[in-house]
Amino acid sequence: SQQGEEDPQALSIQEGENATMNCSYKTSINNLQWYRQNSGRGLVHLILIRSNEREKHSGRLRVTLDTSKKSSSLLITASRAADTASYFCATEENAGGTSYGKLTFGQGTILTVHP
Amino acid sequence: SQTIHQWPATLVQPVGSPLSLECTVEGTSNPNLYWYRQAAGRGLQLLFYSVGIGQISSEVPQNLSASRPQDRQFILSSKKLLLSDSGFYLCAWSVLAGGQEFFGPGTRLTVL
Repeated sequence: SQQGEEDPQALSIQEGENATMNCSYKTSINNLQWYRQNSGRGLVHLILIRSNEREKHSGRLRVTLDTSKKSSSLLITASRAADTASYFCATEENAGGTSYGKLTFGQGTILTVHP
Repeated sequence: SQTIHQWPATLVQPVGSPLSLECTVEGTSNPNLYWYRQAAGRGLQLLFYSVGIGQISSEVPQNLSASRPQDRQFILSSKKLLLSDSGFYLCAWSVLAGGQEFFGPGTRLTVL
């Protein structure tokens, strides 16, 4: 099964509204990252939050991490039509030094922001 | 600044034909390199990663192979394509294992 599971699978909102996406994972992690993908393009890194951090901000983005619940959320405030994209969380598993440190991606949330 | 190139952008190949997708990175040395496949509307599946020239790790058994003949060159190959090999192939690099990854534009492969 997937390490990262995003929720909801799809989200449709109006411009100016906030968008919240959630990610759950199964194992202990070193960090969790959020990426954005425009249709048919490569992924773009948005933000990285380490396992000892609880919240991080970058512009209109706010990411929270709750390691006790093994979950993270991405909040996009004051959304714009240009925010329309798929958003993925990715985790680096903490395997006690035996893991290479590769990322495991979730299935993504498709966000549509209507003008 | 660093850039990553992938080609071709799109490819249509018949079943049973060979495949070679190339990825090159500029502006950095000794990057960690990755090949992912993305099925339509799905997340990314890590296929291969490499921490150095000639060092390839495979994540899933499949019809594909990877090679790293030069420090900043990563090649994905197949001797005989299957229908199930269709998908969007993404190359990525990172400085640190487990850190931020930088993705190429991807290659859309359709096997008919």
